[in-house]
Amino acid sequence: DAGVTQSPTHLIKTRGQQVTLRCSPKSGHDTVSWYQQALGQGPQFIFQYYEEEERQRGNFPDRFSGHQFPNYSSELNVNALLLGDSALYLCASIIWRLAGTSETQYFGPGTRLLVL
Amino acid sequence: AQTVTQSQPEMSVQEAETVTLSCTYDTSENNYYLFWYKQPPSRQMILVIRQEAYKQQNATENRFSVNFQKAAKSFSLKISDSQLGDTAMYFCAFMKPLYYNQGGKLIFGQGTELSVKP
Repeated sequence: DAGVTQSPTHLIKTRGQQVTLRCSPKSGHDTVSWYQQALGQGPQFIFQYYEEEERQRGNFPDRFSGHQFPNYSSELNVNALLLGDSALYLCASIIWRLAGTSETQYFGPGTRLLVL
Repeated sequence: AQTVTQSQPEMSVQEAETVTLSCTYDTSENNYYLFWYKQPPSRQMILVIRQEAYKQQNATENRFSVNFQKAAKSFSLKISDSQLGDTAMYFCAFMKPLYYNQGGKLIFGQGTELSVKP
């Protein structure tokens, strides 16, 4: 049973650049959420994708955008990178069709982004 | 809006002893989920235990158990027979059910860093 995978594991960018992070959900999962975790803090919700659409969004600027593909994998794009975007980006997946039963999100290993 | 508070930034415990981590939350919902996640130095977020708010029975998973007090909005984690591998950051998290407005979004506390000493 494949778990949640993310790529790349580490990334170094400079201010103003653009970055794309990738996530493959756990086998059988159809809903993907993205979280940003700054050092020493709890993760903050960025957005969630289901059926290839953004279902809900946290308090993040439009520089953060995403996409979900028909195979349920997802991308997180960040434009015009700022120093403050340096963080661990976590992807989590869940099964929407099991709503009301086994609602547990499982996380990938994360992508560490450093903006210089 | 829901909030989650962990008032203990750091805790330590001797190997084989028992430790309790505290968490309180605020919500007006009646149905929801509560979780404890563990994040070791590798920063992989690992599920420890889950509690459904509609269940009165406290969840247990081997050495890990919770004390869920719905009226008090309290959700503490007890780790028995602590092991060196339990050393990690522990996060308490709240989530509304998927079919709710803003459901499926985890709201995390600030975390408690637990050190298990030999």
